[in-house]
Amino acid sequence: KNEVEQSPQNLTAQEGEFITINCSYSVGISALHWLQQHPGGGIVSLFMLSSGKKKHGRLIATINIQEKHSSLHITASHPRDSAVYICAAPTGNQFYFGTGTSLTVIP
Amino acid sequence: DGGITQSPKYLFRKEGQNVTLSCEQNLNHDAMYWYRQDPGQGLRLIYYSQIVNDFQKGDIAEGYSVSREKKESFPLTVTSAQKNPTAFYLCASIWTGGPYGYTFGSGTRLTVV
Repeated sequence: KNEVEQSPQNLTAQEGEFITINCSYSVGISALHWLQQHPGGGIVSLFMLSSGKKKHGRLIATINIQEKHSSLHITASHPRDSAVYICAAPTGNQFYFGTGTSLTVIP
Repeated sequence: DGGITQSPKYLFRKEGQNVTLSCEQNLNHDAMYWYRQDPGQGLRLIYYSQIVNDFQKGDIAEGYSVSREKKESFPLTVTSAQKNPTAFYLCASIWTGGPYGYTFGSGTRLTVV
C-alpha cells in the first residue's frame, strides 16, 4: 500500500469546468505540498498547507489533518492548466509522493 | 530569495559517460534528497543526506553516487553503471529544526543518447 494515494490518475476536462484532485495519506505529517509539473518541464510548488484552505488565483487547496485528506481544486479550468499534479507528504525525515494526476483541459 | 537551485534544467549525455547533477540550497536546511521520476511513474528516492559528510541509500541507489561536503550542496552523479539513466531528477530539502521547512528544486531532465 502506498503511503500517499492520489485520484484520479488521469483527468480530461472541458475548458471552464471545475476540477477536483484528491490526495489521501497514511503517514503523520505537519504539512502537505501540492506540486505542478508541465509536460517536459520542471516542478513548481503550488501550495504548502497544514490546515484549512489556501487560495491562489483559480487554485484552491484544502486539507483535513484528522481525516488525512487533501484536495486541489481548479475553478474555471483553462488549457494552460494541463499538467501533472502531485501531492507530497513530508514526514520528519523524508517525503512521500503520490503518483500524480495527469490533467488535460480541452479548449 | 531562498530556495533550491538545480542545474541545468535539461542535460544530454552520451551513453557510457558519467554526469553530475547539481543541487544547491541557501535555506540552511539540514536534510537533502534526490528523487527520480520515470514517465508515468511516481518519484522514487535515490539518496538522501541528513548531515554533512553523511548520506544514505534510498530505494534505487544502484548506479548513482552522491557527496555532501557542504551543507548547501548535494550533487548527484549518474554513473555509467546506471542502466537506464534517462529520467527526470528532483532535489528536495527539509529543515529538521521546525515543521514547515520543506522545499523542492525545479528538476533536471537528463537524456542519455
